[in-house]
Amino acid sequence: GNSVTQMEGPVTLSEEAFLTINCTYTATGYPSLFWYVQYPGEGLQLLLKATKADDKGSNKGFEATYRKETTSFHLEKGSVQVSDSAVYFCALSEEYSGGGADGLTFGKGTHLIIQP
Amino acid sequence: NAGVTQTPKFRVLKTGQSMTLLCAQDMNHEYMYWYRQDPGMGLRLIHYSVGEGTTAKGEVPDGYNVSRLKKQNFLLGLESAAPSQTSVYFCASSYFGATDTQYFGPGTRLTVL
Repeated sequence: GNSVTQMEGPVTLSEEAFLTINCTYTATGYPSLFWYVQYPGEGLQLLLKATKADDKGSNKGFEATYRKETTSFHLEKGSVQVSDSAVYFCALSEEYSGGGADGLTFGKGTHLIIQP
Repeated sequence: NAGVTQTPKFRVLKTGQSMTLLCAQDMNHEYMYWYRQDPGMGLRLIHYSVGEGTTAKGEVPDGYNVSRLKKQNFLLGLESAAPSQTSVYFCASSYFGATDTQYFGPGTRLTVL
């Protein structure tokens, strides 16, 4: 079955540091890949996504590139801010050959803490 | 436009009691999902629906039932609650399936004593 593995935290960085959160996946076909972010006490919201190999998703200074050869979708940001403190989830979704899809398969989440 | 709403926000049950969680979306989305979030486990899919009147099992469906009688609503039922069902429950919806963004509700924190 499908699975997502991401580095577990907490990850603690200073403001303006460079961020990388690793994510690798296992899937039977050609999944779409997502990063969702959860701020304290809230539901998840989409940060970025990529639907095919070599696509780059980007939003709010975050980037991730869909690497089929290494089955990875690592999240990066050049200069983090205190407001980026949250839990980040890597996820995948796969469409069936006959059409249709079920839900997202999530990694366990990475708690990011940015110190001023 | 409220997006995805969940009722209630918090609930405490005793073992063996039953309850229904309500999810509503006003975005005319076809797909709706129920997930549970447990510490160190990420989110896991309980049940989902690909349209009004349809439901399907996800990764962890045991102990739960669902119904989608109206397109905008997706109900999650616990017939006989167990302490193992203590969790935070999230509802989500999307217009398309695999490639589409899912929009999440704020969550329901359920404690079963």
